[in-house]
Amino acid sequence: QVQLVESGGGLVKPGGSLRLSCAASGFPFSNFYMTWVRQAPGKGLEWVSYISSSSSFTKYADSVKGRFTISRDNAKNSLYLQMNSLRAEDTAVYYCARGGARVAMGYWGQGTLVTVSS
Amino acid sequence: DIQMTQSPSTLSASIGDRVTITCRASQSINDWLVWYQQKPGKAPKLLIYKASSLESGVPSRFSGSGSGTEFTLTINGLQPGDFATYYCQQYDSYYTFGQGTKLEIK
Repeated sequence: QVQLVESGGGLVKPGGSLRLSCAASGFPFSNFYMTWVRQAPGKGLEWVSYISSSSSFTKYADSVKGRFTISRDNAKNSLYLQMNSLRAEDTAVYYCARGGARVAMGYWGQGTLVTVSS
Repeated sequence: DIQMTQSPSTLSASIGDRVTITCRASQSINDWLVWYQQKPGKAPKLLIYKASSLESGVPSRFSGSGSGTEFTLTINGLQPGDFATYYCQQYDSYYTFGQGTKLEIK
């Protein structure tokens, strides 16, 4: 069965960096777009970024453009989100999901919490 | 950027009721719209894709309709497990979520 497991969240100071990972299993990872979505505490869902199956195409929300970088390693069935210059407003649960562009996100991980605070 | 506006923000209903949630796009998105259900502490669950296609395994009491800029999610015969927050999301141009509708027990 499809499984997506995020890791790498934690407490980081403003201006700091963090790298999130998402381990995928149960499907041909290299065939699918992948996406990061976040949810601030008590708030709604916010799309962060997606990446094409071959990494040739990436898109970012304006709120993270220039600070976050999405990448993937198809040999390791893994998705990543490098987050730099973190701000308090980046505090959220970060979910990885299978899908992107004109493919709905049918599978989601359980999320990993990122807290940006001094 | 495409904006998505859901209404109402909160909806109170009883078991067995029929409820409708509306989602409006700031410009036409054809039928590139999905609906998710989210329960506290859990990841969202895909219910409807392409505005009206039911995701496999989702009960038939859930239905979606609309195209262009106006969309609805209807739940016929509310069950206890349906009380949750519902989000629409467009995927015509990047992704944008609606702000969510919390469905509460009356």
